[in-house]
Amino acid sequence: DAGVIQSPRHEVTEMGQEVTLRCKPISGHNSLFWYRQTMMRGLELLIYFNNNVPIDDSGMPEDRFSAKMPNASFSTLKIQPSEPRDSAVYFCASSLKAGDSNQPQHFGDGTRLSIL
Amino acid sequence: GQSLEQPSEVTAVEGAIVQINCTYQTSGFYGLSWYQQHDGGAPTFLSYNALDGLEETGRFSSFLSRSDSYGYLLLQELQMKDSASYFCAVKVDTGRRALTFGSGTRLQVQP
Repeated sequence: DAGVIQSPRHEVTEMGQEVTLRCKPISGHNSLFWYRQTMMRGLELLIYFNNNVPIDDSGMPEDRFSAKMPNASFSTLKIQPSEPRDSAVYFCASSLKAGDSNQPQHFGDGTRLSIL
Repeated sequence: GQSLEQPSEVTAVEGAIVQINCTYQTSGFYGLSWYQQHDGGAPTFLSYNALDGLEETGRFSSFLSRSDSYGYLLLQELQMKDSASYFCAVKVDTGRRALTFGSGTRLQVQP
């Protein structure tokens, strides 16, 4: 079975450029999560969706970040304009239902983003 | 808000048993999860405890005490491949029902 698929795996770009990260959740999962991981701040939840609807975006750092989930099989995280401090590994995860306490989250392999 | 504390590093030898502790402070509580992450890899789910007691899955066990706001992950018969970071995570019963992760414990297994 295909797991959570993220693209690109690596992205290097110059500051000021727009960055778009993509995620395909596991088929049948109706909760999707975007995380950012850095050495300094650890694993932080940015936003999560239930049934394609954003439920909690309180972790989105600022207006430069936006996320969409136009359908059940696709989500994007966009940074515009990008800054060097956005450099991190961005993970997408999905689960059957966020409200079901014991549903594990399945993580993609992540996108390693470097902003020069 | 929520806060979780776990040791930053633990070292053990192959074949030994190691316990990674996690204490939490939350405004509400659904359960405690554990995730493993190898260097350069993605977090993978290990276990979940909603009720007090021990949950066993092969060489790994997880324990929860809700009254003490405390849990631990127990790894037995350590293998070199167990060298990784281990994260505890809480799910709270508020409108924000996603996970909050601890800062992780880096486990180094030595021969």
